[in-house]
This record gives sequence, structure tokens and C-alpha cells, in this order.
Amino acid sequence: KAGVTQTPRYLIKTRGQQVTLSCSPISGHRSVSWYQQTPGQGLQFLFEYFSETQRNKGNFPGRFSGRQFSNSRSEMNVSTLELGDSALYLCASSPSDRGRDEQFFGPGTRLTVL
Amino acid sequence: AQKITQTQPGMFVQEKEAVTLDCTYDTSDQSYGLFWYKQPSSGEMIFLIYQGSYDEQNATEGRYSLNFQKARKSANLVISASQLGDSAMYFCAMRPLYSGGGADGLTFGKGTHLIIQP
Repeated sequence: KAGVTQTPRYLIKTRGQQVTLSCSPISGHRSVSWYQQTPGQGLQFLFEYFSETQRNKGNFPGRFSGRQFSNSRSEMNVSTLELGDSALYLCASSPSDRGRDEQFFGPGTRLTVL
Repeated sequence: AQKITQTQPGMFVQEKEAVTLDCTYDTSDQSYGLFWYKQPSSGEMIFLIYQGSYDEQNATEGRYSLNFQKARKSANLVISASQLGDSAMYFCAMRPLYSGGGADGLTFGKGTHLIIQP
């Protein structure tokens, strides 16, 4: 079974631009979560989708948004990029929305904002 | 709100020795899950072990075991017989468990950088 895939793996953008990151969960998984990892703030939860609905959202500004499609694939969008948005963005999938489910992480997308 | 504290930013351990990575947590939730993840330099997060707050037995997965002390709010990871491939960042994480389904995102600690020396 293929793991979680994220595209692209690397991105370089400039301030003010917008970016869309994609995540394909493990086949059969219906829950997708997104995390931001930076050296200063560590790993922080962005949002979680289950069956195309955003169930939870972390403490991030409205510039960060996402969606999930009927095939469970998910995208996250960051508008009006800031230098501080440079980070590793990790996507994780789970079979269901149970809290005890292990989250399987993808390799991440490394975003650099210049 | 939950908080995870990992007090060891870095650790050097000799190969084949056992190592304990500390994790303490704070939460007002009655039911919660604790997770440990490993992140090699490649960046991908690898699940190691899970402990539910109501699980009576400490979790074990191969060379990994979790020393869960609920009253002290600690969930230390023990790696037995360390190997060179264990060198990585290790993160402790938690989230509440809801009986009706649904899950919050994981709250992570800052991590411990473990280096295994030959």
C-alpha cells in the first residue's frame, strides 16, 4: 500500500504570492491533517479534514485554508505569503477520525518564502 | 489546552545502550492519547508507539516501550539496545479522545535530538 504523498516536495515563492500544496492520503484513509514545522515554533497543527469537512482548526490566520475532495485528497492554500510562512508542511492521514488512530505522515513540502 | 514538555534538547548515547527520552504533559482532558514519533534527517515523521490514558498496561512495540506514569503526567519513551539508525529527532505528542468520535490535532513537544555513537 502506498504511503502518504505530498506534492510538490520543494517550493520557492516570494512575499505576497499564494501557494497550494497537495496531499494524497493512504488509500482508504478518510482523515487528513496538516501541520507546520518551523525551527522556532516546532510542529503546529493547522487543520484536520474528515469526509470533506473541516473538523478542527489550529491557531493560524485566515490566510491558511484547505479543503478535502471526495477521494480524500486534500489541498492547503496559503495566500499573501509572508517570510514567516517558510516551513516544512506535513500532511498526515488516518483511517478514521478516532483520536487513538495513528497518523501516517507524508514526506512534507518544504516552502521557502523570499 | 494541552502542553507537552521535552526537557532534553539533545542526547548522546553509546550504541547498544538503553535510552530514556523524557516527556511530561499537561491537560485538563480526562481521556487522551499519547504518541511518540521519530523524525530522521529526511524529514518524514515515523510513528513509534501509542498509549491511551485509560490503558492499564504500558505500551510496547518491539524495542520501544512507554513508561506511562499518569499521576506524574509523564510518558517517557524507552529504547532498548540502541542502534546507529535510531539517531533522529524524537517527538512526544498528545491529543484528547472523544467518545463520540472526532479528533483534535496532535500537540507536539519541541523534541529531543538523539545521537547514537558507535
